[in-house]
Amino acid sequence: KNQVEQSPQSLIILEGKNCTLQCNYTVSPFSNLRWYKQDTGRGPVSLTIMTFSENTKSNGRYTATLDADTKQSSLHITASQLSDSASYICVVSAIYSGGSNYKLTFGKGTLLTVNP
Amino acid sequence: NAGVMQNPRHLVRRRGQEARLRCSPMKGHSHVYWYRQLPEEGLKFMVYLQKENIIDESGMPKERFSAEFPKEGPSILRIQQVVRGDSAAYFCASSPTGTNNSPLHFGNGTRLTVT
Repeated sequence: KNQVEQSPQSLIILEGKNCTLQCNYTVSPFSNLRWYKQDTGRGPVSLTIMTFSENTKSNGRYTATLDADTKQSSLHITASQLSDSASYICVVSAIYSGGSNYKLTFGKGTLLTVNP
Repeated sequence: NAGVMQNPRHLVRRRGQEARLRCSPMKGHSHVYWYRQLPEEGLKFMVYLQKENIIDESGMPKERFSAEFPKEGPSILRIQQVVRGDSAAYFCASSPTGTNNSPLHFGNGTRLTVT
């Protein structure tokens, strides 16, 4: 069964600090891994997409890593800001016939709170 | 360029009523996907549509749920005879193509509460 597990469930940090969120998955056959940011009451917004051959991808202060051998990913946030407070969701896509991208397996997210 | 628009944002229905959720994809996007998010759970795929066609509805309950994406107008997710267990956030996403590795653009969801 395809699964995505994220840790920690929640995290509180002070503004300006760095943090790292973890994602383990058992989705197969693997196609890509995505990180989304979801503000309370809003839809998820894409941060990064990584395929099998990519092991690092950055988007501003967000850096995602992928180890396809161990099936682990991390999202590192540098110099956190109050606006980073949100749920961060790891999403893994498996390869289906036709190359479709919609049968994604979503993690439950890590709820990050950045305090002043 | 407006993003994915969903309405209403909040919908309250009594048990047994019908709920209609609307989704207008981003301009130029012809692929629409519906997901459901239960409290404390990750999003779950429901249905994938292209204009006038249902491509995959394997994630949608066979009873009471239906979806359409007509040639003109928004995509509609329809839930008949709602029950308390249907209370959830329903998200629509769109993409310009249905191929892998293309990002999905999500709307802000419709929060359905069944009383």
